[in-house]
Amino acid sequence: SQQGEEDPQALSIQEGENATMNCSYKTSINNLQWYRQNSGRGLVHLILIRSNEREKHSGRLRVTLDTSKKSSSLLITASRAADTASYFCAFAMNRDDKIIFGKGTRLHILP
Amino acid sequence: GAGVSQSPSNKVTEKGKDVELRCDPISGHTALYWYRQSLGQGLEFLIYFQGNSAPDKSGLPSDRFSAERTGGSVSTLTIQRTQQEDSAVYLCASSEGLAGTDTQYFGPGTRLTVL
Repeated sequence: SQQGEEDPQALSIQEGENATMNCSYKTSINNLQWYRQNSGRGLVHLILIRSNEREKHSGRLRVTLDTSKKSSSLLITASRAADTASYFCAFAMNRDDKIIFGKGTRLHILP
Repeated sequence: GAGVSQSPSNKVTEKGKDVELRCDPISGHTALYWYRQSLGQGLEFLIYFQGNSAPDKSGLPSDRFSAERTGGSVSTLTIQRTQQEDSAVYLCASSEGLAGTDTQYFGPGTRLTVL
């Protein structure tokens, strides 16, 4: 299967702590993206990291990509209650290929 | 500007009926995607339109599912002879350019319930 795999499937942490989610994939990729989905429906794009990049930051988000291990991690620092959501990685093998989503990590921030 | 819109937001139908789900992508976006998400699960790719190219239909689960995109804009996903296992949230997304390079913008989804 081309589908990405996130781990853990679910994560509960105290507010203020850092949350780390991982994504593994099986094929070579063009880029990898992370999305957030609040309870409800639509997904919101968080960050895109290209295959020739190793690390990228956006606010409290830090994404790393290790193409040799075919894995990526999303770190959320100083977590807040509003960060409670499901987080998905997504990737495409080629520039004009479809996007494949992982199964997601459900993050719950405890007050 | 306006984002991706989908209609209806909720659809309840009886087993065996046909349903049509609509997606209005962001104006000017050349790529459009349909996904299906069952409760608590990840996104299942269904179909991908890119410009004037033939769509990638590799994710459609059966021949009861079809989709078209008219004039390179609005898309309709049709499910014929619905089954209970078709119950899910159907998500549409669009991107400005190639799927593998650009951010996808998602609509709010259509929740389909087949009784």
